[in-house]
Amino acid sequence: AQTVTQSQPEMSVQEAETVTLSCTYDTSESNYYLFWYKQPPSRQMILVIRQEAYKQQNATENRFSVNFQKAAKSFSLKISDSQLGDTAMYFCAFMKPLGNAGNMLTFGGGTRLMVKP
Amino acid sequence: EAQVTQNPRYLITVTGKKLTVTCSQNMNHEYMSWYRQDPGLGLRQIYYSMNVEVTDKGDVPEGYKVSRKEKRNFPLILESPSPNQTSLYFCASSLNGGGGYTFGSGTRLTVV
Repeated sequence: AQTVTQSQPEMSVQEAETVTLSCTYDTSESNYYLFWYKQPPSRQMILVIRQEAYKQQNATENRFSVNFQKAAKSFSLKISDSQLGDTAMYFCAFMKPLGNAGNMLTFGGGTRLMVKP
Repeated sequence: EAQVTQNPRYLITVTGKKLTVTCSQNMNHEYMSWYRQDPGLGLRQIYYSMNVEVTDKGDVPEGYKVSRKEKRNFPLILESPSPNQTSLYFCASSLNGGGGYTFGSGTRLTVV
């Protein structure tokens, strides 16, 4: 079974600064996907960024980027120019494709990020 | 608007009274899943489905049932709810999995 660990239960950052959230995972699979999801106080789950394990290039989406280290099984999220609207719980997730059977998705415990004005 | 619709958003029930949480998506997605969210544990997968009549257990399936008789609908059934099933539940769907999942707004269930 896969496990996903987010070692930082809570973090804070000043508005306009940069913050990095950590995520490590444990798997013996070679084909998988990694995601970061954001959950603001509204509790809606919002996809922030995704990474395919076979791609070496780190994914970027505007102010959000990842540092994917496959050998180290690490998948950190960097948020640049932090905004008040970035205040949320962030979840790292690992997905194992099962072909015609579906997908197994495993989430970390979450990191609560507070952006301070 | 492309979305995953869950109902109800809030539910308080008593131990042992059967209930169903509905989930419907309008994006013609193949993949659907149910999760429960508990503090400090993140989201844990209850059941997942690849297509009509294809479902399988996730990490925490005990006490839950699902069915996928139509592509758009994936209801979660609690035959005999117990207090340890008090949680926040999410339904999600995806076209191919790798592109990420679209989540519903969640159902806050309290079993007393």
